[in-house]
Amino acid sequence: GAGVSQSPRYKVAKRGQDVALRCDPISGHVSLFWYQQALGQGPEFLTYFQNEAQLDKSGLPSDRFFAERPEGSVSTLKIQRTQQEDSAVYLCASSLDRMSQPQHFGDGTRLSIL
Amino acid sequence: AQSVSQHNHHVILSEAASLELGCNYSYGGTVNLFWYVQYPGQHLQLLLKYFSGDPLVKGIKGFEAEFIKSKFSFNLRKPSVQWSDTAEYFCAVNPSGAGSYQLTFGKGTKLSVIP
Repeated sequence: GAGVSQSPRYKVAKRGQDVALRCDPISGHVSLFWYQQALGQGPEFLTYFQNEAQLDKSGLPSDRFFAERPEGSVSTLKIQRTQQEDSAVYLCASSLDRMSQPQHFGDGTRLSIL
Repeated sequence: AQSVSQHNHHVILSEAASLELGCNYSYGGTVNLFWYVQYPGQHLQLLLKYFSGDPLVKGIKGFEAEFIKSKFSFNLRKPSVQWSDTAEYFCAVNPSGAGSYQLTFGKGTKLSVIP
């Protein structure tokens, strides 16, 4: 389809494992965002890419979180040594240009850490 | 830093009732304002947006919102809800201007419409 695609839809991992979440933005979209949505909360900003450049990573909760977008299209959010508090839905969004609005969201990856 | 408050956590209405969901934001400068909707099992979708101009904004599916700058509010309204409006609604804000990209969301309001 033409929307933002995220995989996997669901991920279950044991505490301490590393996970990688993938985002395929809408083709041609310059801006890409990651958000974290805890249960009962609104999405919270994690990081922002403009093409391959990560311009803002101020929302990443710890140095266990790492995101990349090496060719300016697909992005991966990696979480190392996962902890239970990392359990959340991770949303990816993209927008057409540097003005960045409006943002188009994917279905998200629901991550559960046991 | 900006913040967004949505006062109603869960709203239950009968079909044909009128809807108003409250949204207040905290930020000292000019802002862009958004309402997103998330239907069960689906992704967040843009319902409507305000960047500038007429403070009364019309969106999809008969929704509208009014920006009242003096009250820092952007309430969502619909005159007559349908069962298919059952969803979670999120208000979001980002500062206007170049380099302003980060959306700040409220906690969401869950709307249940009873047939």
